[in-house]
Amino acid sequence: GQNIDQPTEMTATEGAIVQINCTYQTSGFNGLFWYQQHAGEAPTFLSYNVLDGLEEKGRFSSFLSRSKGYSYLLLKELQMKDSASYLCVVSDSNYQLIWGAGTKLIIKP
Amino acid sequence: DTAVSQTPKYLVTQMGNDKSIKCEQNLGHDTMYWYKQDSKKFLKIMFSYNNKELIINETVPNRFSPKSPDKAHLNLHINSLELGDSAVYFCASSQGVTGIQPQHFGDGTRLSIL
Repeated sequence: GQNIDQPTEMTATEGAIVQINCTYQTSGFNGLFWYQQHAGEAPTFLSYNVLDGLEEKGRFSSFLSRSKGYSYLLLKELQMKDSASYLCVVSDSNYQLIWGAGTKLIIKP
Repeated sequence: DTAVSQTPKYLVTQMGNDKSIKCEQNLGHDTMYWYKQDSKKFLKIMFSYNNKELIINETVPNRFSPKSPDKAHLNLHINSLELGDSAVYFCASSQGVTGIQPQHFGDGTRLSIL
């Protein structure tokens, strides 16, 4: 079966750095997305990785290792507004999206 | 300026009723989707339409029927509502091939069945 694993919840301190991991087992791979979802709001797109390596976008970076079935989202200089759920999503060989359950990130002052 | 808009935002109704949720996107995207997010926050795709044609129809009860009058609109009609239908329903759209383009989501419709 197809599976995505990410921690259910993480806590970090304002101003610090946090890494949210995602491992996946899917039938084929056509890319991995990260979305942010604030409580009561819609998911918003953060990043897309299809090749191995690190993609940096401001305070957020996303890393992919296809051979390990592994990705992480790195958030630097954490702000209170970064408190949200972070969803890992994989596109399989048929371009169907497999959604993870999300990691709830709690930022403390 | 709203990219993906869905109405209503809140829907409270009784078991057994029939209801519709509307969705419109002004991004010029080819593909539109309906998702269900339950109380555990797990997002599950229900339907996907590309240029008014159904391309993904996950295992959902046939009480749910999507309709796409044109590529900018994708409505969801639900017959004989059940308690388990209570959830947040999100409409989304993307450009081009499903699965390699980011999706833009509407604000969601919070459906509560009494």
